[in-house]
Amino acid sequence: DTGVSQDPRHKITKRGQNVTFRCDPISEHNRLYWYRQTLGQGPEFLTYFQNEAQLEKSRLLSDRFSAERPKGSFSTLEIQRTEQGDSAMYLCASSPPGQIYNEQFFGPGTRLTVL
Amino acid sequence: QKEVEQDPGPLSVPEGAIVSLNCTYSNSAFQYFMWYRQYSRKGPELLMYTYSSGNKEDGRFTAQVDKSSKYISLFIRDSQPSDSATYLCAMNTGFQKLVFGTGTRLLVSP
Repeated sequence: DTGVSQDPRHKITKRGQNVTFRCDPISEHNRLYWYRQTLGQGPEFLTYFQNEAQLEKSRLLSDRFSAERPKGSFSTLEIQRTEQGDSAMYLCASSPPGQIYNEQFFGPGTRLTVL
Repeated sequence: QKEVEQDPGPLSVPEGAIVSLNCTYSNSAFQYFMWYRQYSRKGPELLMYTYSSGNKEDGRFTAQVDKSSKYISLFIRDSQPSDSATYLCAMNTGFQKLVFGTGTRLLVSP
């Protein structure tokens, strides 16, 4: 399977714990995006990488959230001191270079439940 | 007020019906308009994209954009039970984050 992969698919944690999610984009895709989706809502943008550079962060990305993309390949999203409001589906997407309309290919998501 | 507004539904139709899904938006800078389909507990998948105003057809799907009214539509002809999913409109100014609507849940009954 050469699509976007995310790990884990599901994560249940207790409030106050730290969690880390991983996203492997499609090979050769230089842009990588993280979104958060809650029940009954569309995905909301969190942050965006072009290669290894983090170019934009949403106001939704509080200080407890950090994302990295070392070497411009896979990316990790860490949430520190999780809160119940962090419960959501975390989606990763990637897009190829040179495509101005920016078709984004989404992974299956990581569903986070904070107890 | 959200940048992109979309009726959450659910929209229930019988098999074979023509389905009309719509979004309105407020940011006149948006130039690229997309429709994604999302099945339950899956990631969104791109159905169609349109640049600026106009129509685009792909099989049973037709996307329309009216920039003067800030209104976009997706029509599905001869709807099938397998079309039952949530349909998300999304848009951007190019090379950047997508701004999504809330999604419309579509149910096509046999």
